[in-house]
Amino acid sequence: DGGITQSPKYLFRKEGQNVTLSCEQNLNHDAMYWYRQDPGQGLRLIYYSQIVNDFQKGDIAEGYSVSREKKESFPLTVTSAQKNPTAFYLCASSLGTTLAGELFFGEGSRLTVL
Amino acid sequence: GENVEQHPSTLSVQEGDSAVIKCTYSDSASNYFPWYKQELGKRPQLIIDIRSNVGEKKDQRIAVTLNKTAKHFSLHITETQPEDSAVYFCAASTVGGANSKLTFGKGITLSVRP
Repeated sequence: DGGITQSPKYLFRKEGQNVTLSCEQNLNHDAMYWYRQDPGQGLRLIYYSQIVNDFQKGDIAEGYSVSREKKESFPLTVTSAQKNPTAFYLCASSLGTTLAGELFFGEGSRLTVL
Repeated sequence: GENVEQHPSTLSVQEGDSAVIKCTYSDSASNYFPWYKQELGKRPQLIIDIRSNVGEKKDQRIAVTLNKTAKHFSLHITETQPEDSAVYFCAASTVGGANSKLTFGKGITLSVRP
């Protein structure tokens, strides 16, 4: 069953702690993305990667880091430098890298900072 | 950079009526315009998209129109049903650009009253 899987679904973190969100896809897609969703704010791009071992900052990259060591995996680390990390995080992938194709989203990870 | 705005932020219609959701964009170079639907608690999914070389595209009860001169595009849903209730996101991107990326609007919550 092909798809994109995010884990964990819910995560709680204390202030000052880093946390890593997992994103795995078995669709053989080249490009992967991380979006942040806040109420009334839509989907804002954090980071994206169009090829293994390469990634670019999106609109709100500060306080986040990523890696793309394998085509299937694109983990996101929310660092202690992110001032307002409580949010819903969505990972997505697309077959091509021209940004003119369908984005396939995971089910999301909800991070709450206590 | 690109700025995508959606109006209104919420829309309520009676079942069976039509719904129209409008988006404006700022970058005249944008040439790809997808619409995503996100049902409550679920992942966003592509429902229709349009490229700048056409003015209208239909798929059963949904259609999208594009006005490049005015830089706006609209989603039309006919014969609305309760299952159409969701958040709808429009987006725009410049395919083939050096730093092309997909910019989403903030989303519109559509409620279909039975």
